[in-house]
Amino acid sequence: SAVISQKPSRDICQRGTSLTIQCQVDSQVTMMFWYRQQPGQSLTLIATANQGSEATYESGFVIDKFPISRPNLTFSTLTVSNLSPEDSSIYLCSAGDNEQFFGPGTRLTVL
Amino acid sequence: SQKIEQNSEALNIQEGKTATLTCNYTNYSPAYLQWYRQDPGRGPVFLLLIRENEKEKRKERLKVTFDTTLKQSLFHITASQPADSATYLCALDSLGAGNNRKLIWGLGTSLAVNP
Repeated sequence: SAVISQKPSRDICQRGTSLTIQCQVDSQVTMMFWYRQQPGQSLTLIATANQGSEATYESGFVIDKFPISRPNLTFSTLTVSNLSPEDSSIYLCSAGDNEQFFGPGTRLTVL
Repeated sequence: SQKIEQNSEALNIQEGKTATLTCNYTNYSPAYLQWYRQDPGRGPVFLLLIRENEKEKRKERLKVTFDTTLKQSLFHITASQPADSATYLCALDSLGAGNNRKLIWGLGTSLAVNP
């Protein structure tokens, strides 16, 4: 198993700004993922964070809006850019090959 | 398109009884299926994984079945306790962007165990 920490745990941001979320894993992992969880909707994969190369984005998500870094096997960041109220959501980081271990999430509110 | 359905209505049961949650899927054949627990304000916690060639899997008070013909998984919690109250999520593996394997998630079923 892996223990995952995320920060910040929550933030309130103004429209048009950006928020960067950090995800730290307590051991080296191959696969890291970023999800969005909106009220009344299922967990949705934004992208797979690849170490040493560009992230792989799912349909409907683009790098300009959700740039991701993965500088090593224990750390990743997700930036949500040019924020709008529609970006208000919980963002979750996870790691694992088959079963996944999740961080506590970041609750983002955009005013 | 691929679709996962879980009971949308909350399940309320009495302590000590067995809780049974259902996960149905359509339009694909996953290699494995997973169940997670999620408490309010927290990330999902992995519980069990069952592969397509396995009919049943157990872990302590938990039991999962996987019927690839019916395209259904049942998740049982025996001798339920109030501490089992949470939302339970079903997830199935699929192919995502770049042919990476990814999980597709159900909406979850809320379980309340009453003392």
